[in-house]
Amino acid sequence: DAGVIQSPRHEVTEMGQEVTLRCKPISGHDYLFWYRQTMMRGLELLIYFNNNVPIDDSGMPEDRFSAKMPNASFSTLKIQPSEPRDSAVYFCASSARRLRDRELSGANVLTFGAGSRLTVL
Amino acid sequence: AQSVSQHNHHVILSEAASLELGCNYSYGGTVNLFWYVQYPGQHLQLLLKYFSGDPLVKGIKGFEAEFIKSKFSFNLRKPSVQWSDTAEYFCAVSLYYGNNRLAFGKGNQVVVIP
Repeated sequence: DAGVIQSPRHEVTEMGQEVTLRCKPISGHDYLFWYRQTMMRGLELLIYFNNNVPIDDSGMPEDRFSAKMPNASFSTLKIQPSEPRDSAVYFCASSARRLRDRELSGANVLTFGAGSRLTVL
Repeated sequence: AQSVSQHNHHVILSEAASLELGCNYSYGGTVNLFWYVQYPGQHLQLLLKYFSGDPLVKGIKGFEAEFIKSKFSFNLRKPSVQWSDTAEYFCAVSLYYGNNRLAFGKGNQVVVIP
């Protein structure tokens, strides 16, 4: 398995431009998470999906951020318009469905992508 | 919502020294506990996890962690560190009967001097 695949790895853009980050989760995983990592705030959960449906987007900073998951193998995180304070590393992660009554082998373990480092000038 | 506290954000130690990183969480229910590691320039990788059973968990690369329920803690330890252990270490918690959502601590930046 190629793991969680994110693109682009690096993006440098100017303030006001639209940014689209992409993620391909591990095949068979039905949870997908978007995290943002900064020095000041650490790892923050932005939004997560279960079976392509957004479950909790309370971590999305503001309306400039949006995320979609049109199918089980693809998700996007969009920032429009971008601002310098959006500069961060954005991680996508996926995990498998939990098993409630038995050993949770594999479940609840997030596998992270390599991240997309965004710099907004 | 559960929260995770990690202290001593920056740790500097010499090779062969012992390492212990503290992790405390706020949630009183049954939880799953994790330590993730992020090597310089890389993504987060799972170091070890605790779901149930023996509270002393052994992970990769000689790391272990102990779950102490009464103290709401899940401290990470390694008896003798190597230069290659230089990394950032994150403790994370999720609800045992909840969804797969993880709450992360702010991390410990560990630098091992050769």
